[in-house]
Amino acid sequence: SYELTQPPSVSVSPGQTARITCSGDALSDQYTYWYQQRPGQAPVLLIFKDDERPSGIPERFSGSTSGTTVTLTISGVQAEDEADYYCQSADSSGSYVFGSGTKVTVL
Amino acid sequence: EAQLVESGGGLVRPGGSLRLSCAASELTFSNHAMNWVRQAPGKGLEWISYISGRNTTIYYADSVKGRFTISRDNSKNLLFLHMNSLKAEDTAVYYCATSFIDAFHIWGQGTMVTVSS
Repeated sequence: SYELTQPPSVSVSPGQTARITCSGDALSDQYTYWYQQRPGQAPVLLIFKDDERPSGIPERFSGSTSGTTVTLTISGVQAEDEADYYCQSADSSGSYVFGSGTKVTVL
Repeated sequence: EAQLVESGGGLVRPGGSLRLSCAASELTFSNHAMNWVRQAPGKGLEWISYISGRNTTIYYADSVKGRFTISRDNSKNLLFLHMNSLKAEDTAVYYCATSFIDAFHIWGQGTMVTVSS
């Protein structure tokens, strides 16, 4: 399997935009998925297939991709967005890999 | 609303065994591929095993291959993880999750496994 690299932390003021990157050699060939995990809770799927939102996920969450780097953008950050965020992808052998995680702090 | 509930976690000594269960409700269980994902205390998520809906395909992460066995009983809407030769580094919250097109859609609340003497 391979590694997905995320920044350990991102800090943002309420109402501003947070961008979380995820880098990996295979990301240009595989879809990327994003999850939000609040403290003490299970992860929640935020973005699938690079840039699609499941029903019920607010529009302020969006995904984009450029080569081997994908980005989760949170527009108009709210206090409730303070959480850990993980990217995830698959490799050709059937394994799944998660990024190292990014802690978003709302100042 | 679809729900997954894990059980079976607890304290086990190094080298011991444990079986985790995941009970599914409000979904057609056999239509869903299932996974186990774990999270060590203060650490990130780690996928460890996958089983297809009809039990025909199984994958493991290298970290558990040869020690853990995933299985399912579609007649009872149950997913299992049999864990043998447990090590301290297996200490984690274990989540079951459905997957579809490589995304984990529905997650359980997790069950804690502590491997310690």
